[in-house]
Amino acid sequence: EAGVTQFPSHSVIEKGQTVTLRCDPISGHDNLYWYRRVMGKEIKFLLHFVKESKQDESGMPNNRFLAERTGGTYSTLKVQPAELEDSGVYFCASSQESGATGELFFGEGSRLTVL
Amino acid sequence: AQSVAQPEDQVNVAEGNPLTVKCTYSVSGNPYLFWYVQYPNRGLQFLLKYITGDNLVKGSYGFEAEFNKSQTSFHLKKPSALVSDSALYFCAVRRGGYQKVTFGTGTKLQVIP
Repeated sequence: EAGVTQFPSHSVIEKGQTVTLRCDPISGHDNLYWYRRVMGKEIKFLLHFVKESKQDESGMPNNRFLAERTGGTYSTLKVQPAELEDSGVYFCASSQESGATGELFFGEGSRLTVL
Repeated sequence: AQSVAQPEDQVNVAEGNPLTVKCTYSVSGNPYLFWYVQYPNRGLQFLLKYITGDNLVKGSYGFEAEFNKSQTSFHLKKPSALVSDSALYFCAVRRGGYQKVTFGTGTKLQVIP
């Protein structure tokens, strides 16, 4: 069974440019999460999808970030325009269970460097 | 609100010695607690979880963790460390009935041969 896959693994862009990160969750997993880790800090929650619906987007930093999950399958996270403080590793995770007891399955992350 | 504290940025232990990675949490209601491990250039992998029942939970690779409600702690332990255990360990908490998982800052475990 394929795991959670993320693309690209690393992206280097200049301030003001646009980047789109993609996440393919494990097939059949309705729950999809985006997290971000800035160097040395905690892994911070960004948002949670249940199928194609945004269940909780309380962690999205500002309106430069746009997440979509059309059709309830893969998800994209767009940063436009990128700022220096957006640098970090963006993790996607998915889970099958609708309750709170299930563990998350993570992708390897997309490292974003904004110069 | 919910939060997790991992007070040690790094833990060094000699191979074969017992190891402990500390975690304390704050959450309203019943906590669901998790440990994840991240090896270099990899995603986070689930190690173990406490949901209810026995306070001592066992997980992958010989790791275990003890839930202590009075101390609001969920320390990760292993009786005998291996060099291959060297990685970044994250503690996480979830409130019962709530989907959002909150992670700590991570603890780097270095097992010295």
